[in-house]
Amino acid sequence: DTGVSQDPRHKITKRGQNVTFRCDPISEHNRLYWYRQTLGQGPEFLTYFQNEAQLEKSRLLSDRFSAERPKGSFSTLEIQRTEQGDSAMYLCASSPGTSDYNEQFFGPGTRLTVL
Amino acid sequence: AQKVTQAQTEISVVEKEDVTLDCVYETRDTTYYLFWYKQPPSGELVFLIRRNSFDEQNEISGRYSWNFQKSTSSFNFTITASQVVDSAVYFCALYTGRRALTFGSGTRLQVQP
Repeated sequence: DTGVSQDPRHKITKRGQNVTFRCDPISEHNRLYWYRQTLGQGPEFLTYFQNEAQLEKSRLLSDRFSAERPKGSFSTLEIQRTEQGDSAMYLCASSPGTSDYNEQFFGPGTRLTVL
Repeated sequence: AQKVTQAQTEISVVEKEDVTLDCVYETRDTTYYLFWYKQPPSGELVFLIRRNSFDEQNEISGRYSWNFQKSTSSFNFTITASQVVDSAVYFCALYTGRRALTFGSGTRLQVQP
């Protein structure tokens, strides 16, 4: 499978715990995006990497959220001290970066439930 | 600021009916791209089409067609002879070169057999 992969697919945690999600983009895609999708809504942008550089962060990304892409390949998104409002689907996408207007290819998402 | 509005929250049709999903966008940029994505029950967003702001030609791909009208800031999507497999949530999205897509809230399409 050469698409975007995300792990885990589902995560249930208790309020206050830390969680980490992983995204593996399509090989050779140098742009990687994280989005959050709540029930009944479209995805909302969280952050964007070009290679290993985090170039943009949304105001949605509070201090409890941190994302990394250490070698310009896979990325991790960590949420510290989770809150019930963090419950959502977290989507990762990648694009080739040959143009600003390349389509983004999405992974299956990680569904987070905070109890 | 960018905004995408999909006023239809949910549409239900019977198989073989034609259905149009509406999308209205707002942007001050003169160069932008519009996208449609499909999100089936499995959750993965599937890319359907990309259209740039300088190309107002309508596009047809099999049973799918798209009508882009800059005068009304609309990018509507029509499925002809709908099938049960078309049941999904469809998202319209706008890209203006500021890195991220701006999505609408989606339209859930249910095609009944």
